[in-house]
Amino acid sequence: GEDVEQSLFLSVREGDSSVINCTYTDSSSTYLYWYKQEPGAGLQLLTYIFSNMDMKQDQRLTVLLNKKDKHLSLRIADTQTGDSAIYFCAETPTGANNLFFGTGTRLTVIP
Amino acid sequence: DTGVSQDPRHKITKRGQNVTFRCDPISEHNRLYWYRQTLGQGPEFLTYFQNEAQLEKSRLLSDRFSAERPKGSFSTLEIQRTEQGDSAMYLCASSWAGVNEQFFGPGTRLTVL
Repeated sequence: GEDVEQSLFLSVREGDSSVINCTYTDSSSTYLYWYKQEPGAGLQLLTYIFSNMDMKQDQRLTVLLNKKDKHLSLRIADTQTGDSAIYFCAETPTGANNLFFGTGTRLTVIP
Repeated sequence: DTGVSQDPRHKITKRGQNVTFRCDPISEHNRLYWYRQTLGQGPEFLTYFQNEAQLEKSRLLSDRFSAERPKGSFSTLEIQRTEQGDSAMYLCASSWAGVNEQFFGPGTRLTVL
């Protein structure tokens, strides 16, 4: 079955880079996603990467995918206090239509 | 506002009562999904619709849960005979079929006393 794992907490200082990591077990996953959830709110899609890509960059966000190790990471450059939130990694295995989420990483940005 | 909306945002009910939530997807999105998120966990898939057809249901969706999307636009999720274990955030998302981006609503937080 699908299993997506993330570390629970990450603290960084404002202005530093944040790296949030995720591992997944389903090698057939076609798309991998990063969502952001602020307190009491729904999920905001930040970015996603297709499984045949190694890297995707979008402004301050860089996604790295290592298919061999089934490892996905999200790097946030110049982290700001507004980036404080829970970040979820999610996958869509081949043939599935829904998302499988990790437990989320709570990012705290220290001013 | 053309985002996904959900109503109510909060619901407190007593155990054994029935509750119904509504989701309005992004206009013309033909897929609509329901997820449940408990405290400290990621969302878990419950069910999804393409147009008015309910195409998949998770084993999490017990027989006390029913979802409808009668006209292929808004959807309702009903929980009968609520239990304390049903307390969670219920999230709705929508997308175009064949497009991988799902857009989420703000959720309905259910508390069962």
